[in-house]
Amino acid sequence: EVLLVESGGGLVQPGGSLRLSCAASGFSFRTYSMSWVRQAPGKGLEWVSAINSDSAFIYHGDSVKGRFTTSRDNARNSLFLHMNSLRVEDMAVYYCARIATSGISHPFDYWGRGTLVTVSS
Amino acid sequence: SYELTQPPSVSVSPRQTVRITCSGDALSNQYAYWFQQKPGQAPVLVIYKDSERPSGIPERFSGSNSGTTATLTISGVQAEDEADYYCQSTDRHGSYYVFGSGTKVTVL
Repeated sequence: EVLLVESGGGLVQPGGSLRLSCAASGFSFRTYSMSWVRQAPGKGLEWVSAINSDSAFIYHGDSVKGRFTTSRDNARNSLFLHMNSLRVEDMAVYYCARIATSGISHPFDYWGRGTLVTVSS
Repeated sequence: SYELTQPPSVSVSPRQTVRITCSGDALSNQYAYWFQQKPGQAPVLVIYKDSERPSGIPERFSGSNSGTTATLTISGVQAEDEADYYCQSTDRHGSYYVFGSGTKVTVL
């Protein structure tokens, strides 16, 4: 069974930093691209970042570019999101998602349950 | 830039058919994906590559893409289908992803 479990969320002050983790199991983690997607309270889904299987390609959405960094450790089946210079508008549930790439198709086929990041003074 | 437009809400009676549209120029040469999200839960993929259904998704869910408009159709709607639905697309290389703003489906 594919399982994605996020952790590391919590309360942080504006301007602060936080590192989120996603522990993957039930599939060959090293062969899949992965992504972070967030959802602010009462709002829609927003793509945050994507990283390919060997970390050669890493992409971030415009709203987090330059502040967030995405990495992975294939030996530990883990995905990370390093968040710096956090803003109130970064407050959201952060989901880890698997990307099932096939040619030009890149669906998010499995999602974790999310971890809540609260940015407040 | 990529933008996807969805209606904010639709209502449907049980056993009827509901269609949710998603419009955007990117859909003319990229696939559409659809997700169902119930309150307090993570999104679930219900359609990929415009019209493919993942294993375990009921046959009443179907999708199509006519160029710049993708459509999710739920036939024979059931009470359990009440949820938010999001369309999504990406560029060819998987370097940029965009979600629609979501459509709340209410089953009357």
